[in-house]
Amino acid sequence: DIQMTQSPSTLSASVGDRVTITCRASQSIISWLAWYQHKPGKAPKLLIYKASSLESGVPSRFSGSGSGTEFTLTISSLQPDDFATYYCQQYNSYPLTFGGGTKVEIK
Amino acid sequence: EVQLVESGGGLVQPGGSLRLSCAASGFTFSTYSMHWVRQAPGKGLEWVSDISSTTSTIFYADSVKGRFTISRDNAKNSLYLQMNSLRDEDTAVYYCARGAYGSGSYYLGYWGQGTLVTVSS
Repeated sequence: DIQMTQSPSTLSASVGDRVTITCRASQSIISWLAWYQHKPGKAPKLLIYKASSLESGVPSRFSGSGSGTEFTLTISSLQPDDFATYYCQQYNSYPLTFGGGTKVEIK
Repeated sequence: EVQLVESGGGLVQPGGSLRLSCAASGFTFSTYSMHWVRQAPGKGLEWVSDISSTTSTIFYADSVKGRFTISRDNAKNSLYLQMNSLRDEDTAVYYCARGAYGSGSYYLGYWGQGTLVTVSS
């Protein structure tokens, strides 16, 4: 199974900050990586697929980069609606696996 | 608008069974693979199972293999998860999600809001 490791697990930031979350795969997943935003009691929301493709309707302050085993999600200017938990997910092979999550909290 | 609505969660004793349902609308259900993903209390997301659009391909996580069965009824736009021999560690919110067009490992473009399954005596 491919292990996905996210860092940090928790991040404290202020509105307007630039935020970067890292996701590492235990083996190459080429660019088969997605990022999701999840708020308590809500459905997870797809933000990025294929490592850097922005899902339709997602604000352009979200961006993804990386390939192989190292990936990043960047929020260029954190907005109040962005405080949530973020997960990466590999879909290079089964079983599909998620990172442990990064909770973005208000500083 | 794509909508996925899960139902069937509840409290069940260890060793018991439960059947989850997911009603889909807003897209051509019969052409997409569908997934179940769960989140245990205080934990992250865990992929559980998926089924291709024609039911020809099914995958399970090792943690549920042999105990859970995924199925779908394309005429009813519905996805199911039959859960048998439930264990305490199966306690989680269960989400259904839409996967690839057809089949294959893929990202999950749409998710439901989940249904809570609690396994406890």
